[in-house]
Amino acid sequence: DARVTQTPRDKVTEMGQEVTMRCQPILGHNTVFWYRQTMMQGLELLAYFRNRAPLDDSGMPKDRFSAEMPDATLATLKIQPSEPRDSAVYFCASGLGGEQFFGPGTRLTVL
Amino acid sequence: AQSVSQHNHHVILSEAASLELGCNYSYGGTVNLFWYVQYPGQHLQLLLKYFSGDPLVKGIKGFEAEFIKSKFSFNLRKPSVQWSDTAEYFCAVNFHMNYGGATNKLIFGTGTLLAVQP
Repeated sequence: DARVTQTPRDKVTEMGQEVTMRCQPILGHNTVFWYRQTMMQGLELLAYFRNRAPLDDSGMPKDRFSAEMPDATLATLKIQPSEPRDSAVYFCASGLGGEQFFGPGTRLTVL
Repeated sequence: AQSVSQHNHHVILSEAASLELGCNYSYGGTVNLFWYVQYPGQHLQLLLKYFSGDPLVKGIKGFEAEFIKSKFSFNLRKPSVQWSDTAEYFCAVNFHMNYGGATNKLIFGTGTLLAVQP
């Protein structure tokens, strides 16, 4: 049963620290998405890739966030430096042909 | 700009009541339509999808949705809800561009929080 995996599942860090979240998409999927979910803003698309190339990162604060796909089996989302307002659940999703499959999420708490 | 609207933000029902959650989108072209469910503390899971064919789509756990192109709607229904259906429900749309290709990007509605009372 293929599924998207994300690590870590939970991360607590202090303001100013670097945070790296990792995602392994489903093998064969050609699109990867990063979302952020908070109570106040709901589900927001941060960035997405097709065939490892970044297509849209307009939802991402560029000064502190970066998203990469070093290879087809790994997508990363990095925050440096982190701030308390970055506290949220970050979901990765992978897809093929329009349908998306979500990972379990990384719950980030920045103190 | 393409957008997706879910009119009911919070719905409270008793067990065995019927459910209908509204979803409308703002685009006259070709679309793929989805409903996702997020149980408390979990990730989004696909309930059902529409790509083409019969506009009445059946999904998992007794859910169905009907695509009405003339109304730009894709409402979710279930004839009899259970306590275990308590969750947040998201409508999502994949818009096909004029050149015929799908964007792969899903536009999500703001979600409807359903609470089913036993």
